[in-house]
Amino acid sequence: DAGVTQSPTHLIKTRGQQVTLRCSPKSGHDTVSWYQQALGQGPQFIFQYYEEEERQRGNFPDRFSGHQFPNYSSELNVNALLLGDSALYLCASSLSGPRGEQETQYFGPGTRLLVL
Amino acid sequence: QKEVEQDPGPLSVPEGAIVSLNCTYSNSAFQYFMWYRQYSRKGPELLMYTYSSGNKEDGRFTAQVDKSSKYISLFIRDSQPSDSATYLCAMSPDTGRRALTFGSGTRLQVQP
Repeated sequence: DAGVTQSPTHLIKTRGQQVTLRCSPKSGHDTVSWYQQALGQGPQFIFQYYEEEERQRGNFPDRFSGHQFPNYSSELNVNALLLGDSALYLCASSLSGPRGEQETQYFGPGTRLLVL
Repeated sequence: QKEVEQDPGPLSVPEGAIVSLNCTYSNSAFQYFMWYRQYSRKGPELLMYTYSSGNKEDGRFTAQVDKSSKYISLFIRDSQPSDSATYLCAMSPDTGRRALTFGSGTRLQVQP
C-alpha cells in the first residue's frame, strides 16, 4: 500500500519566482492538507482540500494557493517567492468519514524548498 | 504565547532508559492528541493517537492526556538508539475537517 508521495523532493528557486509542489494521498484517502515546516519548528497548517474545494485555511497569504483533482491528488502553488518561504513543505492525507469525521493525518516525506 | 508548548531539548539519555516527553496547551477545545516521530530530513510518522483524557499503550510507547491540566505526555520504555529523532505533539479540536496544531518538537538522542 503506497503511502503519501510528494514531488519533487528538493527544489531551488529565486526570489519572485513561482513554484508548484505535488502530492498523491495514501490509497483510499480523500482529504489532503498542506503544512509548512521551517527549520527547527513544528509544521504549520496552510490549507486543507476535500472534494476539490478548500475546506479550511491557516494564516498564510494569498500567495499560497492550491488545487485538488478528481483523483484526490493535490498541488500547492506559491507565487512571488520570498526568502522566508524556504522550508519543508509537507502534504498529509486522511479520510473524511460519512459524518464528516476524519481519521488522523498521515504525512509524506516533504518537498524541501530553498529560495535564494 | 503559542497554543502548544513543547520543550525543544535536546534530551540525551542512555540506551534502556525511560523517556518522558511532554506538551502543554492553552486551547481547551482540543480533543484529539497525537504524537509524531520525525527523523532528520523526513516527514513526520504517526506514533500514537488518543481521544480526550486517559492513557493509551502501544508496545514500548504510552501516551497520556490530562485535559484538566492541559498536559499530554509520551513515555518510551527501554529506549533504543533507533528512537533518536524529533518528537512532535499535535492536537485538533475534532477529527473532522480540522487542522493539526503542532508543538515545536523535542529532539531526543539515545546513546548506545
